[in-house]
Amino acid sequence: KAGVTQTPRYLIKTRGQQVTLSCSPISGHRSVSWYQQTPGQGLQFLFEYFSETQRNKGNFPGRFSGRQFSNSRSEMNVSTLELGDSALYLCASRLTGESNQPQHFGDGTRLSIL
Amino acid sequence: QQQVKQSPQSLIVQKGGISIINCAYENTAFDYFPWYQQFPGKGPALLIAIRPDVSEKKEGRFTISFNKSAKQFSLHIMDSQPGDSATYFCAASWGFQKLVFGTGTRLLVSP
Repeated sequence: KAGVTQTPRYLIKTRGQQVTLSCSPISGHRSVSWYQQTPGQGLQFLFEYFSETQRNKGNFPGRFSGRQFSNSRSEMNVSTLELGDSALYLCASRLTGESNQPQHFGDGTRLSIL
Repeated sequence: QQQVKQSPQSLIVQKGGISIINCAYENTAFDYFPWYQQFPGKGPALLIAIRPDVSEKKEGRFTISFNKSAKQFSLHIMDSQPGDSATYFCAASWGFQKLVFGTGTRLLVSP
């Protein structure tokens, strides 16, 4: 079974631009969560989608948004990029999102803002 | 109350020794406690997880000890190997809520 796939793996943008990251969950998984990982802040939850609906949301500004498609694939978008948005963005999937279900992570998209 | 506090921040253990990482939580609603292992350039990988109805779970060299009354849980890595050198994260969640992660422990196992 293929794991969680994130594309692209690396991305370089400049301040003010916008970016879209993509995540394909494990086949059959309907819950997709996004996290931002930085050395200073650790793993911070962005949002979770289930059946195309946002179910949980972290404390990030409105510049961070996401969506989920009917095939459970998900995208996250960051608009008006800031230097502080440089981070590893991780996507994770699980079956339906109940707490006792293992959450599997992709290898992330490394976003660098110049 | 949503926090999970993890210690130590970094740990150096000799090959063959026992690595111990501790986590503490406040939210008694948490009912799922996983540990993740992350290598550089990779996403976190689920290592082992426990529910609060058991006090210990063992998988190979990895053991989770859970103390419900103290609201603490820990990861023990027996016979630590250089290949175990990685960053370890504890986490907790409940219901359909998000996973709350600890701040991570960087483990170095010296040969």
